[in-house]
Amino acid sequence: DAGVTQSPTHLIKTRGQQVTLRCSPKSGHDTVSWYQQALGQGPQFIFQYYEEEERQRGNFPDRFSGHQFPNYSSELNVNALLLGDSALYLCASSRLAGGSTDTQYFGPGTRLTVL
Amino acid sequence: KQEVTQIPAALSVPEGENLVLNCSFTDSAIYNLQWFRQDPGKGLTSLLLIQSSQREQTSGRLNASLDKSSGRSTLYIAASQPGDSATYLCVLIGATNKLIFGTGTLLAVQP
Repeated sequence: DAGVTQSPTHLIKTRGQQVTLRCSPKSGHDTVSWYQQALGQGPQFIFQYYEEEERQRGNFPDRFSGHQFPNYSSELNVNALLLGDSALYLCASSRLAGGSTDTQYFGPGTRLTVL
Repeated sequence: KQEVTQIPAALSVPEGENLVLNCSFTDSAIYNLQWFRQDPGKGLTSLLLIQSSQREQTSGRLNASLDKSSGRSTLYIAASQPGDSATYLCVLIGATNKLIFGTGTLLAVQP
């Protein structure tokens, strides 16, 4: 089991561009959540996907959108990038079916730099 | 609104010392609590998960306790090693697996 994987590892973009980050959850997990972690700060919740729908959302603008595929993998899209979007983007997977609240597993993150 | 505070914010200890990291939360209506470590620029590594009905969990040199009534959790690290140096995060897990992160404790273990 490869655990939670994220791609790419690092990414450099310029202001105004669009970016797509990808996450594959741990085997057996059906829920994917995305977090933004600015340098020196704790992770901030962006949104959570379950059964291909956005189930919860944090305090992030509509420029941040996502998708979950039938195989439970997920994408995070950010439009009209701002300098302040530079951060480590973390993906976490878990199993929610049946009301389970098992251990959360995190991927290694994608480091996004906006110039 | 649930708030999670960790004390101390930073800690430096000599190798071999036993230490305790503290986590407090304002709302006892949690499902689970999980402790993570994060190395600089890296993702989060799960250390221990305490189910809501449990009071403690142990893994190797680590022991975590949970007291929902007082809104507290502690992470005990025995015989600390330089490799334990990292940021430790206390995370509350709600009913829908939404995570609420603590403020973190930056630990440095000096050889």
